[in-house]
Amino acid sequence: DVKVTQSSRYLVKRTGEKVFLECVQDMDHENMFWYRQDPGLGLRLIYFSYDVKMKEKGDIPEGYSVSREKKERFSLILESASTNQTSMYLCASIPSGTVTETQYFGPGTRLLVL
Amino acid sequence: GQQLNQSPQSMFIQEGEDVSMNCTSSSIFNTWLWYKQDPGEGPVLLIALYKAGELTSNGRLTAQFGITRKDSFLNISASIPSDVGIYFCAGEGGATNKLIFGTGTLLAVQP
Repeated sequence: DVKVTQSSRYLVKRTGEKVFLECVQDMDHENMFWYRQDPGLGLRLIYFSYDVKMKEKGDIPEGYSVSREKKERFSLILESASTNQTSMYLCASIPSGTVTETQYFGPGTRLLVL
Repeated sequence: GQQLNQSPQSMFIQEGEDVSMNCTSSSIFNTWLWYKQDPGEGPVLLIALYKAGELTSNGRLTAQFGITRKDSFLNISASIPSDVGIYFCAGEGGATNKLIFGTGTLLAVQP
């Protein structure tokens, strides 16, 4: 079974802090994604990566950056957290190919920025 | 960014009832996917649709890819309490390796 793990289930940070959200997958998948989920807005793509050291902006990249130094790990970075970044963050991965293959999601990280 | 219109936003039903939800888009999609998210977990793929007009079942779930390629629906028959969760549609429509997700339908089932 594919496993996608996220470093924290719940996180509380203060405005202005630098925040790291880590995602690890154990199935050698090429493609990894970071989404945020907000009530009434569904899942919105922040960034994705189709290979080590490669990254592409999604629909809402502002205020975020990412890092993919190893194939199995994709990190989401909030350089200076703000209250409007309070959200549920979901990581996903798929093998190489199209997204019509199933995306395997992690359990999510609930981030609260005070 | 583009989003899919998904309705209804929420449904509160009795166990045993049938459920229907749908997604519409102003753009054509090549693939429609339906995901379910259990409370506190990430979404899990339920059904994938690859051709216009396609009707696919997975147990009590049935989904269809609209003929116009701009819509899809999901039906759940004889609902049970474990059907509770948020259901998302998602579409893939171009050369990009990205999915567009719907806004979600929250389903609550009363025993």
